[in-house]
Amino acid sequence: QQPVQSPQAVILREGEDAVINCSSSKALYSVHWYRQKHGEAPVFLMILLKGGEQKGHEKISASFNEKKQQSSLYLTASQLSYSGTYFCGTSTPAAGNKLTFGGGTRVLVKP
Amino acid sequence: DAGVIQSPRHEVTEMGQEVTLRCKPISGHDYLFWYRQTMMRGLELLIYFNNNVPIDDSGMPEDRFSAKMPNASFSTLKIQPSEPRDSAVYFCASSPGQGGNNSPLHFGNGTRLTVT
Repeated sequence: QQPVQSPQAVILREGEDAVINCSSSKALYSVHWYRQKHGEAPVFLMILLKGGEQKGHEKISASFNEKKQQSSLYLTASQLSYSGTYFCGTSTPAAGNKLTFGGGTRVLVKP
Repeated sequence: DAGVIQSPRHEVTEMGQEVTLRCKPISGHDYLFWYRQTMMRGLELLIYFNNNVPIDDSGMPEDRFSAKMPNASFSTLKIQPSEPRDSAVYFCASSPGQGGNNSPLHFGNGTRLTVT
């Protein structure tokens, strides 16, 4: 079952912060985050495994709350290069650990 | 490392024609995935292979779709006959692990298919 991402879109000024959420109705094994720029392929950002860990990539970090079956991606002091569509991908033991992607969150960072 | 290579980048065909999409994964990656991306349904997993063997094809929409991986460095996704609703961007991705575990997916640049 597809995870649910929110918000669907966000517009930021350079330097502002944003949070993208990813929720699942099923117990999760891992959460992946990818960024896709228009006309390009999704690019891997980070993986979080169950255990509530946090990770970072540039000034982008994420957390994973296993109990709540959700993950959040934090864009801190956003840069123009952060613009794109962010996808979370989730895996569950029941689904054989296949990666299922959410509908995406469009992020536009303006000067 | 050349990354995942897909061909063609763009394909325009008429309804009823056969379409073949090609993918060369990153050398040494044991897993290969075919995804389809549309505005309506987002990124959908169609099928994935482990060591050239199809593991899960439950995402393949209908019998018109078939995928093969004759060796570790080549995979094809075939649509026969094609229909306008097959229009989408098709991505191939490879991974050293199953992807659902702690292995990232490396995506190719995709094939944009338009069926008229």
